[in-house]
Amino acid sequence: EVQLVESGGGLVKPGGSLRLSCAVSGFPFINAWMSWVRQAPGKGLEWVGRIKGKIDGGTTDYAAPVKGRFTISRDDSKNTLFLQLNSLKTEDTAVYYCATVGLVPRTTLSYFDNWGQGALVTVSS
Amino acid sequence: DIQMTQSPSSLSASVGDRVTITCRASQSITNYLNWYQQKPGKAPKVLIYAASSLQSGVPSRFSGSGSGTDFTLTISNLQPEDFATYYCQQSYSSPPEPTFGGGTKVEIK
Repeated sequence: EVQLVESGGGLVKPGGSLRLSCAVSGFPFINAWMSWVRQAPGKGLEWVGRIKGKIDGGTTDYAAPVKGRFTISRDDSKNTLFLQLNSLKTEDTAVYYCATVGLVPRTTLSYFDNWGQGALVTVSS
Repeated sequence: DIQMTQSPSSLSASVGDRVTITCRASQSITNYLNWYQQKPGKAPKVLIYAASSLQSGVPSRFSGSGSGTDFTLTISNLQPEDFATYYCQQSYSSPPEPTFGGGTKVEIK
């Protein structure tokens, strides 16, 4: 069974930093593409960024609002995904979900096929 | 950015009803369109990918159609467990910037 468990959320002041972790099990993590998606309280879903699997170079892409402030990384030896959040703003307050990226063969189409339970990050003074 | 617009933003329906939710992209995304269901306090769950492919384990009363800019999610024979919020999402943009629609809340009439 695929499981994703986020941790590390909490209350942080504007300008502060936080690191979220996502422990995964139930599938071969090393070549899996992974994403972070967030949801502000009472609002819709917003993609944060993604990291490719080792075989595809492990490169990262980010949404414009977080580029330069957030960093996605992975420790394949520990089956863990990370999201480093720096220079936090009040508008970064959200539940942050990690998700696996499903890839449709012979296309560039992707979707988010397994999700964690989410970690709440609150940015407030 | 590719903008995704869902309609309606909410609807009321009864058990057994047929429900249709639409999603429009600001430019053609061919079939790079996915649908998710989210219940309160829970993570989203993928229902449909590639516009019309049913995710494994999802009941066949859910179906998707469309291509280009206009897409539809249909729930036939609405069940009590289907009351939730539904989101469309495109994965066409390159460099990648997946975007979601604003959501459609399906409530009990």
